[in-house]
Amino acid sequence: DAMVIQNPRYQVTQFGKPVTLSCSQTLNHNVMYWYQQKSSQAPKLLFHYYDKDFNNEADTPDNFQSRRPNTSFCFLDIRSPGLGDAAMYLCATSRDTTGLAGDETQYFGPGTRLLVL
Amino acid sequence: AQTVTQSQPEMSVQEAETVTLSCTYDTSENNYYLFWYKQPPSRQMILVIRQEAYKQQNATENRFSVNFQKAAKSFSLKISDSQLGDTAMYFCAFMKRSGTYKYIFGTGTRLKVLA
Repeated sequence: DAMVIQNPRYQVTQFGKPVTLSCSQTLNHNVMYWYQQKSSQAPKLLFHYYDKDFNNEADTPDNFQSRRPNTSFCFLDIRSPGLGDAAMYLCATSRDTTGLAGDETQYFGPGTRLLVL
Repeated sequence: AQTVTQSQPEMSVQEAETVTLSCTYDTSENNYYLFWYKQPPSRQMILVIRQEAYKQQNATENRFSVNFQKAAKSFSLKISDSQLGDTAMYFCAFMKRSGTYKYIFGTGTRLKVLA
């Protein structure tokens, strides 16, 4: 089945130790998003890619970076995780940005729960 | 700027009963999309239903239906014949049809279905 896959599902890292989360998709969607979600809160958009074009949210800390080497994969790098970065990280995709009905719907992966010790 | 408000942080409903979750939004846009997503305790966000603002007909997906009132900027979700598997956090989301392709999420409603 076509889907959005995130690995690992759980990640433990140490304070200040770089960590990378990965997302892959078999939907062949042009747009990929990374969200941070803290307990019982709405997801917060960190950035998104339209194809290879990177779009950062204004309030996303510099500590968060992203790479998209090809259509299928997207990575979230946290350069120096702090205790406040412990959260669920959600990857999502949407088909395109044409405004045509259906293109805009986002499909989410299962998330990676990050624990910072 | 658009905002989405879900005024019910928590709700509960008996199995087989009907429940309605409320969502209101504020926008000056005329063309947009509205969504309800479900996030069960396993945490994967699943699309429940979507509505295109230019369509007056309310969207329906099996036991899930919406009451879309464009003038009132209201987009409530009705779950009929509630099942234990409906227990989840439900998020309402708004997206403009053009420009940025970002969702504006509400704060969510935690629904618990009671046996």
